[in-house]
Amino acid sequence: GQQVMQIPQYQHVQEGEDFTTYCNSSTTLSNIQWYKQRPGGHPVFLIQLVKSGEVKKQKRLTFQFGEAKKNSSLHITATQTTDVGTYFCAGVDSGTYKYIFGTGTRLKVLA
Amino acid sequence: DTGVSQNPRHKITKRGQNVTFRCDPISEHNRLYWYRQTLGQGPEFLTYFQNEAQLEKSRLLSDRFSAERPKGSFSTLEIQRTEQGDSAMYLCASSHGSYNEQFFGPGTRLTVL
Repeated sequence: GQQVMQIPQYQHVQEGEDFTTYCNSSTTLSNIQWYKQRPGGHPVFLIQLVKSGEVKKQKRLTFQFGEAKKNSSLHITATQTTDVGTYFCAGVDSGTYKYIFGTGTRLKVLA
Repeated sequence: DTGVSQNPRHKITKRGQNVTFRCDPISEHNRLYWYRQTLGQGPEFLTYFQNEAQLEKSRLLSDRFSAERPKGSFSTLEIQRTEQGDSAMYLCASSHGSYNEQFFGPGTRLTVL
């Protein structure tokens, strides 16, 4: 079936270090969204990418959508303790039009 | 408050009982989604509505699960004859239009004893 895998599953970094999570889909996606979920909270939308090869930046966060629209990445520069949480990608399968969430990457930032 | 609300926030029930959850989306949002999330996993799609029409149901949604959105506003998710495997966080989200930003509610945590 359709799968969206994220790596790594967990990442611990020292405050100030960079962090990257990768999202890989088994099928082509119409778009990709990224969400952040704090411990005990609900997912909160960060950004949406639609075009092949698209790159978007939000302050210290850089998002990329692959050329084949099957993978994406989120890069955080100089992490801060407020970046702690689980980052999920979510894509709309271009064949079924269903939302599929990735497995998530849990980020811990050590002060 | 203009966010997505869900009630109840927590529900503890005994196996075999029926439960119903409610979701109130952001008022102008025509799309409403239900997801299930277990610890350490991403949200799993269950179903979604465009206005009052239920357009898609996941195969995860057995015949014990039913969802409604009778007037295109709030939605209910009912689970009949609950099983321990139904224990999870049930999340509702709404969006304006197709495949736009989803706004999630706080979720209903279900525990089946």
